[in-house]
Amino acid sequence: DAGITQSPRHKVTETGTPVTLRCHQTENHRYMYWYRQDPGHGLRLIHYSYGVKDTDKGEVSDGYSVSRSKTEDFLLTLESATSSQTSVYFCAISGGGLAGNEQFFGPGTRLTVL
Amino acid sequence: GNSVTQMEGPVTLSEEAFLTINCTYTATGYPSLFWYVQYPGEGLQLLLKATKADDKGSNKGFEATYRKETTSFHLEKGSVQVSDSAVYFCALHLQGAQKLVFGQGTRLTINP
Repeated sequence: DAGITQSPRHKVTETGTPVTLRCHQTENHRYMYWYRQDPGHGLRLIHYSYGVKDTDKGEVSDGYSVSRSKTEDFLLTLESATSSQTSVYFCAISGGGLAGNEQFFGPGTRLTVL
Repeated sequence: GNSVTQMEGPVTLSEEAFLTINCTYTATGYPSLFWYVQYPGEGLQLLLKATKADDKGSNKGFEATYRKETTSFHLEKGSVQVSDSAVYFCALHLQGAQKLVFGQGTRLTINP
C-alpha cells in the first residue's frame, strides 16, 4: 500500500471555525490532490499540487485553500467552515510521467460542520 | 470537455452471477483509463488500468478492455462474490493534465 496518511480521520466543528486537514506521504511523489466525496457527486477535485509551493485549483475550490511547503505534506484549509462543506475528504498522490499516472488514495477524513 | 459516464446504480446481484458495469468516456486526445474500487469505510484502490486502445486490464478476476471505437471501458467479472460488494469508479487520465476525471460511481451489492 502507498504510504499516505490523513489527519484527523474524523472531525466535528461548528460553522465559521477554521479547519485544517493534513495529508502526509512517504512515497516522495510529485503530485498531491484533495478531493471531496458526496452522495450523488462521486469524487470532485478541490485543489492539487504539482510540486513544493506549486498548487492549482480544481473544480470545487471555493472556500478552500491549500499549502505545500514540503514534498511529503499537503494541507487543506477551510478558512470559515460552512455546513455545505460537510463531506468526506480524500487525499491522493501520483508520481506522474514514467512513474505512472494512477493515483493512490488515503483513508479519508470525515468532516461534519454543525 | 472530458467526462466519464457510468451505468447508474445501485446494482444488486446474487453470488456467482456475471457482472458488467458500463463505462463510456469523452476525451480529447488519448486517455489512460482506470477502474477504482472503494470498500465500505475506506479510500479508493486502483483495481485495473489500460493505457492504450485494445489493452486489457485485469486484476482479482475483473477485466476491462479499452475500446477506442466505442469509447468504452466496461468492467466485467465472470463470477462475483459477496466480498466484491463495493463502489466502483471509472476514471480517465489525459496526457499532460496530471488529473483524473471520475465517473459518478456505481454501488454494487452481492447477496449470498
